Amino acid sequence: DIQMTQSPSTLSASVGDRVTITCRASQSISSWLAWYQQKPGKAPNLLIYKASSLESGVPSRFSGSRSGTEFALTISSLQPDDFATYYCQQYNSYPYTFGQGTKLEIK
Amino acid sequence: EVQLVESGGGLVQPGRSLRLSCEASGFTFDDYAMHWVRQAPGKGLEWVTGISWGSDITGYADSVKGRFTISRDNAKNSLYLQMNSLSSEDTALYYCAKGGVPDEAFDVWGQGTKVIVSS
Repeated sequence: DIQMTQSPSTLSASVGDRVTITCRASQSISSWLAWYQQKPGKAPNLLIYKASSLESGVPSRFSGSRSGTEFALTISSLQPDDFATYYCQQYNSYPYTFGQGTKLEIK
Repeated sequence: EVQLVESGGGLVQPGRSLRLSCEASGFTFDDYAMHWVRQAPGKGLEWVTGISWGSDITGYADSVKGRFTISRDNAKNSLYLQMNSLSSEDTALYYCAKGGVPDEAFDVWGQGTKVIVSS
């Protein structure tokens, strides 16, 4: 099975900061990686698919990138609505797997 | 409006069975793969199982293989999860999610149905 190692587990930042969350796959997944945002009591919401494609309706301050088996989600300028938990997910092959999650907190 | 509505959750004793349902609306259900994802209280997301549009391909997490069965009825726009031999480790909020086309990231999610396994 493909393991997804996400870091950091917690990130403290301020409004306006640029932040990056990373995810490493244990083997090649090509670009079949998605990023989701989840707020307390809500279902996850797709932000990025195929490593770097922005889902329709998602603000352009969110971006994704890939370097080999390393993936990154960057938020260019944090807004108050962005404080949430973020998950990466590989969908290259079954069983699909999620990273452990990154809780983005207000500093 | 594209929507997924889960049902069937509840309190069940260890070792017993439960069947979850997910009703889809607002899109052509039989064009898309579908999945179940769960989240234990205070924990992260865990992909549980997925099924292709035509039901010919299924996949399972190791934690549920041999106990859970995914199925779908395209005529009823419905997805199902049969859960057998439940244990306390299966206690979670179970989400139904839609895969995209051609990219299979999960672009639509339901609000979840809660399963509690306890004596």
